[in-house]
Amino acid sequence: EAGVTQSPTHLIKTRGQQVTLRCSPISGHTSVYWYQQALGLGLQFLLWYDEGEERNRGNFPPRFSGRQFPNYSSELNVNALELEDSALYLCASSWGTRGNTIYFGEGSWLTVV
Amino acid sequence: GDSVTQMEGPVTLSEEAFLTINCTYTATGYPSLFWYVQYPGEGLQLLLKATKADDKGSNKGFEATYRKETTSFHLEKGSVQVSDSAVYFCALSTPPSGSARQLTFGSGTQLTVLP
Repeated sequence: EAGVTQSPTHLIKTRGQQVTLRCSPISGHTSVYWYQQALGLGLQFLLWYDEGEERNRGNFPPRFSGRQFPNYSSELNVNALELEDSALYLCASSWGTRGNTIYFGEGSWLTVV
Repeated sequence: GDSVTQMEGPVTLSEEAFLTINCTYTATGYPSLFWYVQYPGEGLQLLLKATKADDKGSNKGFEATYRKETTSFHLEKGSVQVSDSAVYFCALSTPPSGSARQLTFGSGTQLTVLP
């Protein structure tokens, strides 16, 4: 069974540009989570989607946004990139809101120059 | 709010040494507790979990027991290997209660095992 898959694995963007990261959850999982792992800052919760709706949002500015599609896949969009957005962006999924185990993908490495 | 406090790293051990990484938590309600591992250049992998008090999670020789009385979930392994070198994260998840459904992570502990 395939795990959580993310794309792209690595990308480099210029400050001010926009980026879209994609995530496919484990088959049957309806909840998708996004986390940012920036150097020295640990893992910070970004967004949680379930059944197509945004359920919770971490302490990030509005230029971080996303959506979940009917097939439960998800996109994370970051506008007006800043240097400090350079990080590993991890997507995770779980079985709805009752699934208490969250499984992570390999992540997308974003470098902003 | 919920929080997880992990033993500061880095930790360096010789192969076959005993490992303990301390983790304590603060949470409302009855959280589930997890240990995740991150190998160099990779994402997070679930190592083990426990969902209620006195549960013991175990995997790949690692163990952790959910201690409600001490609000702890320490990770142990009797004999570490070079391949165990990674960053270990303790995390908790509170039950679905409206909008609060996410993992809260500790800061991570870097483990290096020398041959």
